[in-house]
Amino acid sequence: AQSVTQLDSHVSVSEGTPVLLRCNYSSSYSPSLFWYVQHPNKGLQLLLKYTSAATLVKGINGFEAEFKKSETSFHLTKPSAHMSDAAEYFCVVSDLVKAAGNKLTFGGGTRVLVKP
Amino acid sequence: NAGVTQTPKFRILKIGQSMTLQCTQDMNHNYMYWYRQDPGMGLKLIYYSVGAGITDKGEVPNGYNVSRSTTEDFPLRLELAAPSQTSVYFCASSLQGGTNTGELFFGEGSRLTVL
Repeated sequence: AQSVTQLDSHVSVSEGTPVLLRCNYSSSYSPSLFWYVQHPNKGLQLLLKYTSAATLVKGINGFEAEFKKSETSFHLTKPSAHMSDAAEYFCVVSDLVKAAGNKLTFGGGTRVLVKP
Repeated sequence: NAGVTQTPKFRILKIGQSMTLQCTQDMNHNYMYWYRQDPGMGLKLIYYSVGAGITDKGEVPNGYNVSRSTTEDFPLRLELAAPSQTSVYFCASSLQGGTNTGELFFGEGSRLTVL
């Protein structure tokens, strides 16, 4: 069984300051891990993914995440927040072993507020 | 490139009514999915399809039905709407499972309210 926990439901940052969104996962197999972003009234968009290659993953819009197996974490960071980063972010885990159908488990989401 | 298109964007239903949420994709993806999103709960998989003519239940299938007669279309039907089905519904598609698992392309969502 797999699960994912996003440790903060809301994060508030000032424009130009760093952003940290925390994610811990549980998986019986070597997982794939993803971060998706959802802007208001829009669908989800893939930010970045980890699939057992480099543990530091760079994504779009200056975001990156580091896979730490010993800590079962996949935290998302950005050095300098922009107003356009205000959105909801979802950490997602996938069991690579299951090839038939996409069995994804979504975290509950972290809503990011960026203050001017 | 339209990607994944859902209709309608908003709908209000009375208890017991039925309706179909439409979803179509123009990327020739063989996998398609329906999720519901409730506040603080992330997304829950309702049904998915690995190709035309093949569908399977996800985590929360009760009260819903799907069909997949073509690669492009994957409608979701609510037969007897209940207040518990008030949610935002997302259709998504992906090229294949396996190593591409997780790279989904989402529609903009359909907000359904059942009163």
